[in-house]
Amino acid sequence: DAKTTQPTSMDCAEGRAANLPCNHSTISGNEYVYWYRQIHSQGPQYIIHGLKNNETNEMASLIITEDRKSSTLILPHATLRDTAVYYCNRAPLTEPREQGGSEKLVFGKGMKLTVNP
Amino acid sequence: EAQVTQNPRYLITVTGKKLTVTCSQNMNHEYMSWYRQDPGLGLRQIYYSMNVEVTDKGDVPEGYKVSRKEKRNFPLILESPSPNQTSLYFCASSSGPRGVYEQYFGPGTRLTVT
Repeated sequence: DAKTTQPTSMDCAEGRAANLPCNHSTISGNEYVYWYRQIHSQGPQYIIHGLKNNETNEMASLIITEDRKSSTLILPHATLRDTAVYYCNRAPLTEPREQGGSEKLVFGKGMKLTVNP
Repeated sequence: EAQVTQNPRYLITVTGKKLTVTCSQNMNHEYMSWYRQDPGLGLRQIYYSMNVEVTDKGDVPEGYKVSRKEKRNFPLILESPSPNQTSLYFCASSSGPRGVYEQYFGPGTRLTVT
């Protein structure tokens, strides 16, 4: 039972915006959506996370629908170096260890984004 | 520069020969974790540490040991490596607990056990 659903792969032209969709229709009210990417067996890289408001940082923007059932990660000007596997996941705010929290990230299968020249 | 470093980056060893993979972070993070990544199985947590002298098992701790004597270091120890521990290993740290979603990963250690 997948917690999030992403396309298997997507292509984007260099310099254009890359819009990466993610479906999380069963998300709970206390669950965050977070995104990581992994470039060819390098360590995963944190991109962004959000709860219900749209978020933006130096890497990307995260647009979450009002019903929170889906979201879109936007890379405003994709470059060749953005080619990677992108992981969208959801999880509640981690509880302290004494309440069973483990600070564990759970990665699904992700989506391969290929940025073409 | 804020970073997590791991050593070695590549290691080929034989069954039963004890080895240690070091992990160090310079961000004064309290939380550190070890993951392994295998094709088709994704990223799985081995051990984690909430702070100095505080460690706990993740999902796949069998065959591994860790220690956290200093805040910046979190070595992974394989007392008697076996071929099924051939994998890509990542160390990660975060400021946690609320920083859990912003974990910083090391570059990875590719281990082959023959």
